[in-house]
Amino acid sequence: SQTIHQWPATLVQPVGSPLSLECTVEGTSNPNLYWYRQAAGRGLQLLFYSVGIGQISSEVPQNLSASRPQDRQFILSSKKLLLSDSGFYLCAWSLNGAEQYFGPGTRLTVT
Amino acid sequence: AQSVTQLGSHVSVSEGALVLLRCNYSSSVPPYLFWYVQYPNQGLQLLLKYTSAATLVKGINGFEAEFKKSETSFHLTKPSAHMSDAAEYFCAVNQNSGGSNYKLTFGKGTLLTVNP
Repeated sequence: SQTIHQWPATLVQPVGSPLSLECTVEGTSNPNLYWYRQAAGRGLQLLFYSVGIGQISSEVPQNLSASRPQDRQFILSSKKLLLSDSGFYLCAWSLNGAEQYFGPGTRLTVT
Repeated sequence: AQSVTQLGSHVSVSEGALVLLRCNYSSSVPPYLFWYVQYPNQGLQLLLKYTSAATLVKGINGFEAEFKKSETSFHLTKPSAHMSDAAEYFCAVNQNSGGSNYKLTFGKGTLLTVNP
């Protein structure tokens, strides 16, 4: 069966510091991968998606970036965090283009 | 472009009462529709999905939803609420436009409170 992991589970970072969140999927090959952000009271916002290694599409202009160095690895990064980057970050995968399966999430607090 | 509207950001029911969470969608092509549940500080869990087969879809934890094309609705129901059903529920639509690129559009969520 397939499993999706995210780490760290929680993170507290000062403004201006770098960020790296990692997501890995087990038990499948060539999944579509997605990064979402969930800010308090604002629902889910799609940030990036990837249909293959090195293929990244950005949905929202911001100071975040994503990379997919391996088939089942998806990384969310920032060079300098802003207060507005605080939120709950969710990674998801999909195989057949229909339902998406979500990881446990990373709670990021920028202070 | 597709969109999803969830009526009621907060629904409160008594334990044992009917749960009804409303979702309306707009889509230019036949949609795939989903309900997800999120417990505090956890990821989203798929409850059920409609992918153009039977219009009444049964999911996990006793939930079901009915696709009504004429009403562009996909409401989520459960006959008898349990305390453990307290969570946030998201309706989502996926427009299958072919190729390998698919995105979900989510509603803003409905927080379900179950009172003892």
